[in-house]
Amino acid sequence: GAVVSQHPSWVICKSGTSVKIECRSLDFQATTMFWYRQFPKQSLMLMATSNEGSKATYEQGVEKDKFLINHASLTLSTLTVTSAHPEDSSFYICSARDIRAPGGGNTIYFGEGSWLTVV
Amino acid sequence: DAKTTQPPSMDCAEGRAANLPCNHSTISGNEYVYWYRQIHSQGPQYIIHGLKNNETNEMASLIITEDRKSSTLILPHATLRDTAVYYCIVSPSNQAGTALIFGKGTTLSVSS
Repeated sequence: GAVVSQHPSWVICKSGTSVKIECRSLDFQATTMFWYRQFPKQSLMLMATSNEGSKATYEQGVEKDKFLINHASLTLSTLTVTSAHPEDSSFYICSARDIRAPGGGNTIYFGEGSWLTVV
Repeated sequence: DAKTTQPPSMDCAEGRAANLPCNHSTISGNEYVYWYRQIHSQGPQYIIHGLKNNETNEMASLIITEDRKSSTLILPHATLRDTAVYYCIVSPSNQAGTALIFGKGTTLSVSS
């Protein structure tokens, strides 16, 4: 299947600093990518929809000024956690829809995830 | 809110078939049934999806009832590496801007 790659896989940052996570679709173009957050023993929670060339759409309760999303090209979306705090420590996962999937119904593929620890 | 209902957990013996049920009684005509699984500390892995007909690939089989209100994911010969949380999700297929919404899924434990 299609491949979505995230970088870094894990990162530790100091409280108050910013950290950027990259999400790339390696063998297909994605006009839309999605960002999720997952806390331990919980399910994935959608944070925002990243649209190539335009502003991201954020889910209710997600601060757009804190979680900056940029989708500058058809293969790259970035999530920047600004002024990070310990409560932002979580598993962040991106995904992208591959519209080329045969047989009807396109498929969303997920990155490996990025562990963020804020100390 | 997720539009599917799954049992919170299931057990399966290694080598046996694992049958994971999912109820989606409010599914719309343009919505597909998707199955993903998540192994601890990894991103979700796509397994299979279908609309009306049963589907099979190298990983699993998907059986969808005629009224489309429920489905079953079948892992024909479960192995220890199939231990994971399995998510059943319904979503329209042709809307590029539509994200997958995850419920709590089923935690499948495969034991030897």
